[in-house]
Amino acid sequence: NAGVMQNPRHLVRRRGQEARLRCSPVKGHSHVYWYRQLPEEGLKFMVYLQKENIIDESGMPKERFSAEFPKEGPSILRIQQVVRGDSAAYFCASSLRGVSGANVLTFGAGSRLTVL
Amino acid sequence: AQTVTQSQPEMSVQEAETVTLSCTYDTSENNYYLFWYKQPPSRQMILVIRQEAYKQQNATENRFSVNFQKAAKSFSLKISDSQLGDTAMYFCAFIPLGGTSYGKLTFGQGTILTVHP
Repeated sequence: NAGVMQNPRHLVRRRGQEARLRCSPVKGHSHVYWYRQLPEEGLKFMVYLQKENIIDESGMPKERFSAEFPKEGPSILRIQQVVRGDSAAYFCASSLRGVSGANVLTFGAGSRLTVL
Repeated sequence: AQTVTQSQPEMSVQEAETVTLSCTYDTSENNYYLFWYKQPPSRQMILVIRQEAYKQQNATENRFSVNFQKAAKSFSLKISDSQLGDTAMYFCAFIPLGGTSYGKLTFGQGTILTVHP
């Protein structure tokens, strides 16, 4: 049973380009979360999705960032017109049900975005 | 809003010795979970141990144990018989139960632990 799969592991973009990060949750998990880790910092919550629904996007920047979790296929975090400040590691996590502590998050290995 | 503070940016320990990593948090919630995650150089986030706030007994997982002081809002991690493979960044994290917390973990800034041979 594979864990959370994220790709690409490393992505380099020039300022103004688009970045797409993909996340396949643990098989059977229908709850997906995205976190961002800036250099030398802890992870910060961005968005929580269930299949075809955004449940909580309170941690998402207001512009340029979007996320989806379609009925079929992986969850996608999309960053349009990237800037240098977007350089970070982006982690995806999944859970079987909504997290209550008992249902812990399983994290992927992260995607490191570098903006030149 | 919750905050999690790890006041030790870096720690080091000799192999086979014991080390304690500190974590304090601030919350008005009464029921919550606390976690310690390990992030080795591979960047994979690995759950080390968790503690339910309503349980008085401190959680243990093999060489890892916590000292949970609810009144003081303190949640330290003790690693016994340290091994080279324990070298990693360690994050303390918090999540309240119920409400709209979902998977919204609040993380501390992290402590880099280096185990020396």
